Amino acid sequence: SQLAEENPWALSVHEGESVTVNCSYKTSITALQWYRQKSGEGPAQLILIRSNEREKRNGRLRATLDTSSQSSSLSITATRCEDTAVYFCATFNTGNYKYVFGAGTRLKVIA
Amino acid sequence: DAGVTQTPRHEVAEKGQTIILKCEPVSGHNDLFWYRQTKIQGLELLSYFRSKSLMEDGGAFKDRFKAEMLNSSFSTLKIQPTEPKDSAVYLCASSFWGSAETLYFGSGTRLTVL
Repeated sequence: SQLAEENPWALSVHEGESVTVNCSYKTSITALQWYRQKSGEGPAQLILIRSNEREKRNGRLRATLDTSSQSSSLSITATRCEDTAVYFCATFNTGNYKYVFGAGTRLKVIA
Repeated sequence: DAGVTQTPRHEVAEKGQTIILKCEPVSGHNDLFWYRQTKIQGLELLSYFRSKSLMEDGGAFKDRFKAEMLNSSFSTLKIQPTEPKDSAVYLCASSFWGSAETLYFGSGTRLTVL
């Protein structure tokens, strides 16, 4: 089974709507990161949330972290067509210095 | 600031050929990662260097894949010999070693093996 997993696998919303992507993980973490990958590009980090933090914001993005349930969420408000991308969560552990990526959620924002 | 630079962007190889992919990390970063990305397997770690020392060589990818850091600002990934199943996007990423630092990815090399 995956050590980090996003759900849903894919979703589509209309421009202006809000959307939430969830992540569940099975490792001990120092931090959890959310990345976005647009077509033809490499992943780019959106938010890094450390294990002692519960929420982090970056503009229209909000990430939460619940270490007791080993879960995280990424919410995007007022979505735009340019938010169309694959969204990954990635866990990080300083003990073994490993990044573990999920398979991603494919978000399509329709005009 | 220059980000991670990968060349070439696209590579087409015949089965059995040797190909070399190149990566220039962000200046000052001391960790470098090579990943393979496919629709089925997602992101798979091939190699990880810290300050030019190989820390992880990706286990299952050992036999035909070899990554090297020739200096702190240049890395190569050699695939020899190539097989059709190697068709994928190869991503290089760098970071500054510390506590859960951000990975900066290049745009990747799309490899097609015929």
